[in-house]
Amino acid sequence: QTVVTQEPSFSVSPGGTIILTCGLTSGSVSASSYPSWYQHTPGQAPRTLIYNTNTRSSGVPDRFSGSIVGNKAALIITGAQADDESHYYCLLYLGGGNWVFGGGTKVTVL
Amino acid sequence: QVQLVQSGTEVKKPGASVKVSCKASGYTFSGYYIQWMRQAPGQGLEWMGWINFDSGDRHYAQNFQGRVTMTRDTSITTAQMELISLRSDDTAVYYCVRYSSSSFSFDPWGQGTLVTVSS
Repeated sequence: QTVVTQEPSFSVSPGGTIILTCGLTSGSVSASSYPSWYQHTPGQAPRTLIYNTNTRSSGVPDRFSGSIVGNKAALIITGAQADDESHYYCLLYLGGGNWVFGGGTKVTVL
Repeated sequence: QVQLVQSGTEVKKPGASVKVSCKASGYTFSGYYIQWMRQAPGQGLEWMGWINFDSGDRHYAQNFQGRVTMTRDTSITTAQMELISLRSDDTAVYYCVRYSSSSFSFDPWGQGTLVTVSS
């Protein structure tokens, strides 16, 4: 069974750059994986940041960007701020109507 | 304003079933899907499946096949997710989200429905 992989944690200083990745235990992430990214704070609904690899959702600042780097999807957040501290999840399409979330990355802004 | 409003908190006993509803408003429903996700306490997000709001076609994650049924009622623009044979590890917040197959976007999300399974 294919698993979607994410870094468990990431620490950054205020003003720094956050780079999160999303890969597959079997195969490569491509545009046809339609990667999307979500910010999720406990007690709130997830917030869609990026969909279809690199399209920002409405209202998301341009500090957030998405791409495919090598065989993984990536979420890049520049100019890290205190309120970027959260959990971030990627979601990939595996084909056959099936989608799978990564395990999530906890981002800490120190 | 595009929004999805979900039904309220549920408390169920093991073995029971639960139905969570998701009322959509503010957009033309044709061409969209409703997808269902959940998050158990201390766990990550989990994809459960989807239903095409037009055709009623549906697809479920393997982990839930045989226990989940997704339906929609176009006359009241509401989708429902029913989960049967509940176990304690089904305790989670359940979310619906609108999916567009033309833009591959998931947005907006419902506010979430807490389902607690406890004897």
